[in-house]
Amino acid sequence: DQQVKQNSPSLSVQEGRISILNCDYTNSMFDYFLWYKKYPAEGPTFLISISSIKDKNEDGRFTVFLNKSAKHLSLHIVPSQPGDSAVYFCAAPSGTYKYIFGTGTRLKVLA
Amino acid sequence: GAGVSQTPSNKVTEKGKYVELRCDPISGHTALYWYRQSLGQGPEFLIYFQGTGAADDSGLPNDRFFAVRPEGSVSTLKIQRTERGDSAVYLCASSRTGGAGELFFGEGSRLTVL
Repeated sequence: DQQVKQNSPSLSVQEGRISILNCDYTNSMFDYFLWYKKYPAEGPTFLISISSIKDKNEDGRFTVFLNKSAKHLSLHIVPSQPGDSAVYFCAAPSGTYKYIFGTGTRLKVLA
Repeated sequence: GAGVSQTPSNKVTEKGKYVELRCDPISGHTALYWYRQSLGQGPEFLIYFQGTGAADDSGLPNDRFFAVRPEGSVSTLKIQRTERGDSAVYLCASSRTGGAGELFFGEGSRLTVL
């Protein structure tokens, strides 16, 4: 069974600085992880993914790092912008098709 | 349509009533998921369809909850004898094949049971 933990419920960062959001999972049998961003009253929007054949995946200002031995993911946003203020969820696979989501981290980027 | 469409966006009902929530996935996506999100929580898995069949309904909380996808496209989540604890945002997602890969979510249906 898979458990996903995002231990920081909230994070405040100054505009232009780096935001680092963390995620821990328990079951490393499956190997494709997802990050989502959610604004109020909207559905989660896919942000970036990583496969365990890599330890890093980059897309513009967003980079996800995977530490397989520690069963840990982190999402880096640099430079952070006020429009990045949202709730961020990581998701880890439980089986070949099902994803388990963390409880989310609310990011606030201060102008 | 271009994205996953869910209706209604908001539903207020009384305890004990029956509710149906509809999901129209992205055209061509064979996999469809229902998740539920309560305040302060992440999306919680309810059920997964591959085509017309429910491949995994292990997340449905009890037998008051049921979902169908008769033609392999639109899905309906049905909740009987609603309870106040059923109040949540019900999210539908689809993906191209159901294997490893991103899920595309709709905007959700907010259910409030009074």
